[in-house]
Amino acid sequence: GAVVSQHPSRVICKSGTSVKIECRSLDFQATTMFWYRQFPKKSLMLMATSNEGSKATYEQGVEKDKFLINHASLTLSTLTVTSAHPEDSSFYICSAAVFASYEQYFGPGTRLTVT
Amino acid sequence: ELKVEQNPLFLSMQEGKNYTIYCNYSTTSDRLYWYRQDPGKSLESLFVLLSNGAVKQEGRLMASLDTKARLSTLHITAAVHDLSATYFCAVDRQGAQKLVFGQGTRLTINP
Repeated sequence: GAVVSQHPSRVICKSGTSVKIECRSLDFQATTMFWYRQFPKKSLMLMATSNEGSKATYEQGVEKDKFLINHASLTLSTLTVTSAHPEDSSFYICSAAVFASYEQYFGPGTRLTVT
Repeated sequence: ELKVEQNPLFLSMQEGKNYTIYCNYSTTSDRLYWYRQDPGKSLESLFVLLSNGAVKQEGRLMASLDTKARLSTLHITAAVHDLSATYFCAVDRQGAQKLVFGQGTRLTINP
């Protein structure tokens, strides 16, 4: 149980375009989803927290207009990177959690390359 | 601001040896997580430590938590090559499930 999927697993896009990444909890309802990014050989940095039906909470330094997060249902959150630039190239990982639970379940990650 | 620091950042060891990875954090927290990451992959949960003095073991890995010292350790016993990976500790910021990760320890186990 507690499986989280992400789609796509890899994406290459051109500078200036937008790309959407989906995060789904497959066998449970996630009250909260988290989005992290990881640069090569670096640690994970929390970008934002999203709760179903409400606006996402962004970490300091993360541009909310650039990284649009939507948590439309208890099983789906999306991250849209708008007007992508090469410096947005990174590994994006989502996780999902259930309210009042200490456990987070991580997705397999999406590798974004902006050319 | 919560800071999480791991030591060492790189560790190369021989099979059969024992070693410990340390994770220090700067502010009070009662939840500490250990994860494993293989190259190009996402995180695999290893342990969740929820209270002072908690100790958990799985195979050749054992994790412990001292909340008073703000220190967790991940001990590797009789290392085998399959344990080569990057290990992250993470601390729950304010109990809000917002994880702050350490820098990661890249472990290489040589035959």
